[in-house]
Amino acid sequence: GQQVMQIPQYQHVQEGEDFTTYCNSSTTLSNIQWYKQRPGGHPVFLIQLVKSGEVKKQKRLTFQFGEAKKNSSLHITATQTTDVGTYFCALRMDSSYKLIFGSGTRLLVRP
Amino acid sequence: NAGVTQTPKFRVLKTGQSMTLLCAQDMNHEYMYWYRQDPGMGLRLIHYSVGEGTTAKGEVPDGYNVSRLKKQNFLLGLESAAPSQTSVYFCASSYSLRNYEQYFGPGTRLTVT
Repeated sequence: GQQVMQIPQYQHVQEGEDFTTYCNSSTTLSNIQWYKQRPGGHPVFLIQLVKSGEVKKQKRLTFQFGEAKKNSSLHITATQTTDVGTYFCALRMDSSYKLIFGSGTRLLVRP
Repeated sequence: NAGVTQTPKFRVLKTGQSMTLLCAQDMNHEYMYWYRQDPGMGLRLIHYSVGEGTTAKGEVPDGYNVSRLKKQNFLLGLESAAPSQTSVYFCASSYSLRNYEQYFGPGTRLTVT
């Protein structure tokens, strides 16, 4: 079955430092989505990547989709305390309706 | 728009009891999903629906049943609760296969003792 690995599991940074989480799939993906879940909250959609090698930016967040469409990354520049939460990648294969979520990377930011 | 709502927010059950979790969305979405989230794990799909009157199994369907009698509602039932079903349950919906963003409800925290 579809395997997805997300690393690291946990990261604690000083405010102002950068942060990156990686998502790797065992198979080629149709697209990948990223979600953020604040502590005690629910997942909120951030972005979807579809094209091989695609790079998208949202303010301090940069999302990349690998050339082989098997991996993706989310990079946050100069973290702020508002970035605290768990970041999940979610994978979709072909025409499936289903998303397969990674286990998430929990980000803590020291003020 | 309220988006996706879930009731109840919290519930404590004893082993063997039954309950139904209700999910409602007012965005006219075709697709709806039930997930469970356990500590250190991502979201795991329990069941999903691609339209009114249709349901399908996800990754972890055992011990759960679902119904989608109306387009806006998706019910998750536990017939005989077990401690292993202690979890946070999230409902989600999405508009179409192409516009695939999923909108999540606030979750239901269920404890089975």
